[in-house]
Amino acid sequence: DAKTTQPNSMESNEEEPVHLPCNHSTISGTDYIHWYRQLPSQGPEYVIHGLTSNVNNRMASLAIAEDRKSSTLILHRATLRDAAVYYCIQLGETSGSRLTFGEGTQLTVNP
Amino acid sequence: GAGVSQSPRYKVAKRGQDVALRCDPISGHVSLFWYQQALGQGPEFLTYFQNEAQLDKSGLPSDRFFAERPEGSVSTLKIQRTQQEDSAVYLCASSLGRGHTEAFFGQGTRLTVV
Repeated sequence: DAKTTQPNSMESNEEEPVHLPCNHSTISGTDYIHWYRQLPSQGPEYVIHGLTSNVNNRMASLAIAEDRKSSTLILHRATLRDAAVYYCIQLGETSGSRLTFGEGTQLTVNP
Repeated sequence: GAGVSQSPRYKVAKRGQDVALRCDPISGHVSLFWYQQALGQGPEFLTYFQNEAQLDKSGLPSDRFFAERPEGSVSTLKIQRTQQEDSAVYLCASSLGRGHTEAFFGQGTRLTVV
C-alpha cells in the first residue's frame, strides 16, 4: 500500500492558520491525495482531496507541490473544534477505494 | 439521521464468544468498507463490498472474521471465538461508488474482549 509520512504532532493557537505537511514521494501520476481527520471518539471525517491543482473547500485548502511529492493541508483559522488527528492518504488505481491510514498528525489547538 | 449508523456502540465479550457488529450505510451508497482501529493507531482496512459483492477481503486478519452484505445495504461483521487481540474499534464507512468519492464513517463499535 502507498505510504505517506506526516509529523506525529503539531500545535497551533486558536484563530491562527495551520499548515499540516505530508510527504508522498512514491506518488504516481494517477494517484490522488486525500485528507481525513478524526476527532476524539468519532469516526474519520473527509476533509479534502486533489490531484495536481490546489483545491479549496469550506473546511480547508490543499496545496500540492509541483512535483506532487508533497502536499500541505491548510486550515485558515484554527478553532478548538479542529483539534483532531489528520490523515494524509495516497489513493490510486491499485488501492481501489480502500483508504490506507498511517498514524497521522495529532493537531492540538491552544485557546 | 442520514449518516452511517453502527450498533452496538460498545460491546464487551468474553474470550471465545462470538460477536456480530452491524452497519447501516447511507441509503443509496454502493460501496461499504470495514476498518479496524487499535488504540493509538490509524484505522486498518478489513474488507470492501460493492453492493452485495465482497470484492476485497484481504484485510481480514483470520478466518474467524466474516462479513456479509446480503441485500446490498446493511452489513454485518462477525467475529467467531473472540480473542483479546480482537479488542479494537470497528469502523464502517460507505460511499456512493468506487474511486475518488468521499467516504462517510460511522462512529464505530468499541469491542473489548475480556
